[in-house]
Amino acid sequence: IAGITQAPTSQILAAGRRMTLRCTQDMRHNAMYWYRQDLGLGLRLIHYSNTAGTTGKGEVPDGYSVSRANTDDFPLTLASAVPSQTSVYFCASSKTSGEPYNEQFFGPGTRLTVL
Amino acid sequence: GQNIDQPTEMTATEGAIVQINCTYQTSGFNGLFWYQQHAGEAPTFLSYNVLDGLEEKGRFSSFLSRSKGYSYLLLKELQMKDSASYLCAVCSNDYKLSFGAGTTVTVRA
Repeated sequence: IAGITQAPTSQILAAGRRMTLRCTQDMRHNAMYWYRQDLGLGLRLIHYSNTAGTTGKGEVPDGYSVSRANTDDFPLTLASAVPSQTSVYFCASSKTSGEPYNEQFFGPGTRLTVL
Repeated sequence: GQNIDQPTEMTATEGAIVQINCTYQTSGFNGLFWYQQHAGEAPTFLSYNVLDGLEEKGRFSSFLSRSKGYSYLLLKELQMKDSASYLCAVCSNDYKLSFGAGTTVTVRA
């Protein structure tokens, strides 16, 4: 693994189903993030984790949950998917979370369609 | 809240120069990032400004004026491969990034 990986690459999901998007990084970064990207709205932060064992809510957290059991993995779960969650989801990581210069590295994205 | 504005689209000719403006109003400021995103791909880091002035990196330069809440990304000697979306992102007091909607640049031969 080099950098950040996400799985699946794409998924079509029936409304009401539960779905977990996976994200793994091998850079030993402390901070990880989940964004959704919608046309005309740009990237919006869903949840973040400053370090393993901690998580926080971003701008659009409703309907999503995350966990951070270890440094490498940061899964995003949709408990009961709705069509408005159709989007492209990007996972990102950064070395730290509490410094001004804090370049974030992005995974390849998961394209999710909820019908 | 955060308010970050950038133009939706720009078109330029190969070899030309394009300037992408970004204005922002945010709760606190800890720097401004520019990312490049090719269609269907992940955003990749281009530049970071935290002090006023111009940062040059090859064909790309980024400028910041904190008092005006303004930045621009300058792309010189445009190449076809520069066709992409360019995302302006501001790092606020909580060290989280807020992104603009992105500017899609199309380079024509």
